[in-house]
Order: sequence, then C-alpha cells, then structure tokens
Amino acid sequence: DVKVTQSSRYLVKRTGEKVFLECVQDMDHENMFWYRQDPGLGLRLIYFSYDVKMKEKGDIPEGYSVSREKKERFSLILESASTNQTSMYLCASSLPGKRWEQYFGPGTRLTVT
Amino acid sequence: DQQVKQNSPSLSVQEGRISILNCDYTNSMFDYFLWYKKYPAEGPTFLISISSIKDKNEDGRFTVFLNKSAKHLSLHIVPSQPGDSAVYFCAASGKGGSNYKLTFGKGTLLTVNP
Repeated sequence: DVKVTQSSRYLVKRTGEKVFLECVQDMDHENMFWYRQDPGLGLRLIYFSYDVKMKEKGDIPEGYSVSREKKERFSLILESASTNQTSMYLCASSLPGKRWEQYFGPGTRLTVT
Repeated sequence: DQQVKQNSPSLSVQEGRISILNCDYTNSMFDYFLWYKKYPAEGPTFLISISSIKDKNEDGRFTVFLNKSAKHLSLHIVPSQPGDSAVYFCAASGKGGSNYKLTFGKGTLLTVNP
C-alpha cells in the first residue's frame, strides 16, 4: 500500500512566521504535488515536482516555495505566513506512467492567526 | 475561470439505488478524466478514470461515462451503499500546458441513506 504522510494534521501559526509543511511517501514515486483545499474552491495545485530538485509552479504558487532534496520528501514552505493562507494542505505522489492517479496524504489543517 | 464544474454541491440517494454524479468541462484540450473520493479527515483517493478515446469505463459498481461533444462526464454508482457517502471530485488533464497538472472540480457530497 502506498503511504503518503504529512508531518502535522493541525498547525497554528502567527502572521509573518515561516512555515514548513513536510510530506513523505514510501513508494519511490517520482512525482509529488502540493494542493490546497478551500470550501467552494475544490483542490488547487500549488507546486509539483517530477524529480529530485525539480519543481514547477501550479495554479497558485504565490507566497509559497518548495524543496525536494530527496525523492521521498517534498516540503512546502510559506515564507511569511498570512491569514489568507489558512487552509487545508494536501500532498500527493504518483508514478511517471500514471501521473494523474495520485495518492494523497491525510492533509494538514493550517490556521494562520 | 472554472474549467471543471460540478454543479451539484450535494446529492442524497437511498441505499441500493443508483447514484449519478455529474461533471462538465470547458477546456477542449482536456483528454483524460478522473474521479476521486474523499472521506472526512482523509486525503482524496483515486476511484476511476477515462481517456477521451473512450466513452465508458467500468470498474465494479462504478462506471464513468464521457460525452465529448457535450463536454460532460458522469459517474454512476450501482448499487449505492452507505459506505459510498463521501465527497466526489471530478478532475481533468490534457494536452497543452503541463502534463502533470490536474484541474479539479469543487466536489459533490454524496449521502447514501440506509
């Protein structure tokens, strides 16, 4: 079974803090993704990575950066958290041949106060 | 601009009956479509997919139909079970732009009543 784990289920941070969200997958998947889910907006892609040290912007990359130093780990960084980044953050991974069949982690509910 | 639309935020069905979830898309470059299911406090899980070269794909109780001319797809669940109660997301990907990107709809909450 593919397992995608995220470092925290719930996180509360203050405005202006630097926030790290970690994601680890155990199935040697090349592709990894970060989404945010907001009520009424569905899932929106923030960034994705198709290989170590490779990354591409998704639909809403502003205010975020990512890091992929190892194949199994993909980090989302909020350089200076703002209240409009309060959201559910979901990490996913997939194989190159099945890049759209993504395996998701349980999500991190981030609240920025 | 919403390229993948799920116009019904919720759907309630009796156990044993058919559930039909609908999805419309506007981008004619989309050529691969998926459905994901999401339970509360869990991440979405992949359910079923269909390529634009097909008009139907079946997997057990789940069937996805694609009508390219109408830019419409639907997910049929027969028979519906209480354990199917979840949020269902339609997603699409296609030529042009990044091949890695999925565009999701807003989701439909399905409730199957015993």
